[in-house]
Amino acid sequence: GQNIDQPTEMTATEGAIVQINCTYQTSGFNGLFWYQQHAGEAPTFLSYNVLDGLEEKGRFSSFLSRSKGYSYLLLKELQMKDSASYLCAVLGPGGKLIFGQGTELSVKP
Amino acid sequence: SAVISQKPSRDICQRGTSLTIQCQVDSQVTMMFWYRQQPGQSLTLIATANQGSEATYESGFVIDKFPISRPNLTFSTLTVSNMSPEDSSIYLCSVLTHQDTQYFGPGTRLTVL
Repeated sequence: GQNIDQPTEMTATEGAIVQINCTYQTSGFNGLFWYQQHAGEAPTFLSYNVLDGLEEKGRFSSFLSRSKGYSYLLLKELQMKDSASYLCAVLGPGGKLIFGQGTELSVKP
Repeated sequence: SAVISQKPSRDICQRGTSLTIQCQVDSQVTMMFWYRQQPGQSLTLIATANQGSEATYESGFVIDKFPISRPNLTFSTLTVSNMSPEDSSIYLCSVLTHQDTQYFGPGTRLTVL
């Protein structure tokens, strides 16, 4: 079966660091994506990990451990505009994305 | 990256009618997909749009309800047929680039009365 788990919601303070975890059990794995989605908008690509390790891109970093079926998205120096839903998605066979339910992040002043 | 446009951006339709959504990408891409995002939910894959042949549908989605065309590498359409209020959703086109990155179009917000 296909199972992708991430916390439903998280709250953090402006300027702080937050880590959003994602665990997965899927029948195929060709990489893991993180997307940001603001209310009423389409998902925006943040990162793509296919090999183990940490990928850093500005304030956002993403980590993958394929042996543990685990990834996290790290957001540093949080800003109010980072309040959004963050979607973890596994790339399976045939280019298909399997999405988790998303983590609603609220950044407070 | 790929720039994707969708038309219409939103529509309000009557029960029993059909709506065709268009997706255009600015470059040739390997694969195109159609997703649905119901209110408060994550994204669900409807089908893979195959160029020049019938789309490949996921479990729970059928061609009669969601006919899809992809006449070339940069364009696809999704039709939502015989609509009911349960079809109210955001419909998103996505593309897989040659760099194995998947991007989403801006979405079409459909409300069925």
